[in-house]
Amino acid sequence: DTAVSQTPKYLVTQMGNDKSIKCEQNLGHDTMYWYKQDSKKFLKIMFSYNNKELIINETVPNRFSPKSPDKAHLNLHINSLELGDSAVYFCASSLGPGKQETQYFGPGTRLLVL
Amino acid sequence: AQKVTQAQTEISVVEKEDVTLDCVYETRDTTYYLFWYKQPPSGELVFLIRRNSFDEQNEISGRYSWNFQKSTSSFNFTITASQVVDSAVYFCALSERNTGRRALTFGSGTRLQVQP
Repeated sequence: DTAVSQTPKYLVTQMGNDKSIKCEQNLGHDTMYWYKQDSKKFLKIMFSYNNKELIINETVPNRFSPKSPDKAHLNLHINSLELGDSAVYFCASSLGPGKQETQYFGPGTRLLVL
Repeated sequence: AQKVTQAQTEISVVEKEDVTLDCVYETRDTTYYLFWYKQPPSGELVFLIRRNSFDEQNEISGRYSWNFQKSTSSFNFTITASQVVDSAVYFCALSERNTGRRALTFGSGTRLQVQP
């Protein structure tokens, strides 16, 4: 039944480590997104993929690398984690350009870097 | 560039009161979409409504209603007879069609506290 799922839900790690967050959607959508929500609840786009092709790449440190093995999955790999990376990361999906524009969000991954 | 402003940082009401959450947007695109999302204390983002720029009809869904006014670039959200379960952070968001920027630009959110 889950539409957009993310794993893990919580991630606590040390500075300098490398970690990945996985996202999967079973809605048949073409476009997937990663958003970051900071401690003040502000939400900002990081990346977007349409049919496995990167279409949005905001000003994000290159320690963050998205990967889309197929259009149902969009993973986020983070190298050399820093304290400032602590945030909630949301994955979302939508039908895609020219189609119904509503984005549906996963439950979020709460990342804490110590 | 696109921008969404939610000037009310926090609103506190007593149950059964009506409350309106304000949203003002800026965009140069002629076709755009406006959204409201709810983030309850559990943290997920729940889609509430999408409004297309070419459809200025207001909408009512149960206790929720939305007032879209292009002339003032506003898309306000009213909860009638608020309930404790309405306590959450509410986000207004915008995406643009013609510029190809389909990522959502969010407002800073309004935290609504409904007291029993």
